[in-house]
Formats: sequence, structure tokens, C-alpha cells
Amino acid sequence: AQSVTQLGSHVSVSEGALVLLRCNYSSSVPPYLFWYVQYPNQGLQLLLKYTSAATLVKGINGFEAEFKKSETSFHLTKPSAHMSDAAEYFCAVSDPGGSEKLVFGKGMKLTVNP
Amino acid sequence: GAGVSQTPSNKVTEKGKYVELRCDPISGHTALYWYRQSLGQGPEFLIYFQGTGAADDSGLPNDRFFAVRPEGSVSTLKIQRTERGDSAVYLCASSQTRNQPQHFGDGTRLSIL
Repeated sequence: AQSVTQLGSHVSVSEGALVLLRCNYSSSVPPYLFWYVQYPNQGLQLLLKYTSAATLVKGINGFEAEFKKSETSFHLTKPSAHMSDAAEYFCAVSDPGGSEKLVFGKGMKLTVNP
Repeated sequence: GAGVSQTPSNKVTEKGKYVELRCDPISGHTALYWYRQSLGQGPEFLIYFQGTGAADDSGLPNDRFFAVRPEGSVSTLKIQRTERGDSAVYLCASSQTRNQPQHFGDGTRLSIL
């Protein structure tokens, strides 16, 4: 079975500071990994995905994530936070050879302070 | 182009009633998924359609929940004898085919009184 761990539920940064959102996964097969962002009362928007190509993945809005197999991690980073980045962020894993379902973490709410 | 459309956006009903939630996927997307998101949690998988057939329904919590996609496009999630614990946001997503990114709708917020 696959699972995703996002430790904590809330992170707060200052505008212009580094954003680091942690994600660790558990999977018995090489996984596909995703980061989604959710703004209030909206659905989820794909930020970036890892599908076994380059381990450093660049996404939209200046975000990137690095797949580290040895650490079973897929942490999300952005060098400089913007007020518009305030949202909830979800890490997800899927088994590319099995069901298409996404298994999500509990999410991390990002607050950006002026 | 148009994204995934879900109707209604909000549904309030009484315990024991029957509800239907509709999902209109992106045109041409063959795969369709339903998820349920409870307050403070990540979405949880319910069911996956490839075309008209349910390829994986392992996430449906019990036999009160049922979903159809008769023509391979629009899907309806049906909940019988609703319970207060069914209150959640129900999200629909579609993808062009297997192993393509899933695009989500804005969800239906279901409240059972």
C-alpha cells in the first residue's frame, strides 16, 4: 500500500523567504509523485509531477521539488515566497502500473506574512 | 478551454435522503475519478472510471455509495440513505488517458443535517 506523510499542518513564512514543504512517501513500487495546491473553495491545481525522469522537477509559479529515493522524500521548495502563495499544499503518490488513484497526504497550510 | 465542472456547488439535505452529485469532465478525457475531502484532510479516493466502466471502486466506503458513467463522459455519484458522516467536499477529476495528470473540479460541498 502507498502512503504519504506531511508532518505538521501549518507553516508560516515571511514574504521573500524560502518555502520548504516536506513530503515523505511509502511505496512498494517506483512511484509517481505530485504536488497540488488548493486555494479556498477551489479544487486542486497541479504544481508539478515526478514520473521517473529527472529527479529535480520544476513546476509552475516558481516551485520545484526533488525526488530522493534514498530518503523516500519529495520536498517542495520555492526560493522566495509571495503573498499569492498562501494556500494549502498536498503531496500525492500513485502507482503507475496499477490503479490510477492518487493517495494524498493531509496537506500543509502555508501562510505568508508581509 | 472548459475545465472539470461539478454541480451543484453546494448541497444541503437531511439525514436519510438520497443525493446525486454530477461531474462533467474535460472534453475528450477518458479517465474520471471521484475523491472525498473531509475537513482538514487530504482527498481520499472513491472510484476511477476508464471510459464507461469502473476500473477501480475500492474506495467506496459502503454500498450506500454508487457511481455511474453511462456514456463515458458525465458521471454521477449517488449516495443513498445519507448520514451526517457523509458531509464532505466531493471532488471530481479527469485525465486524458492513463498516467496523465488529473485535473480537478471545484467540488461539491455536501452537508447532511
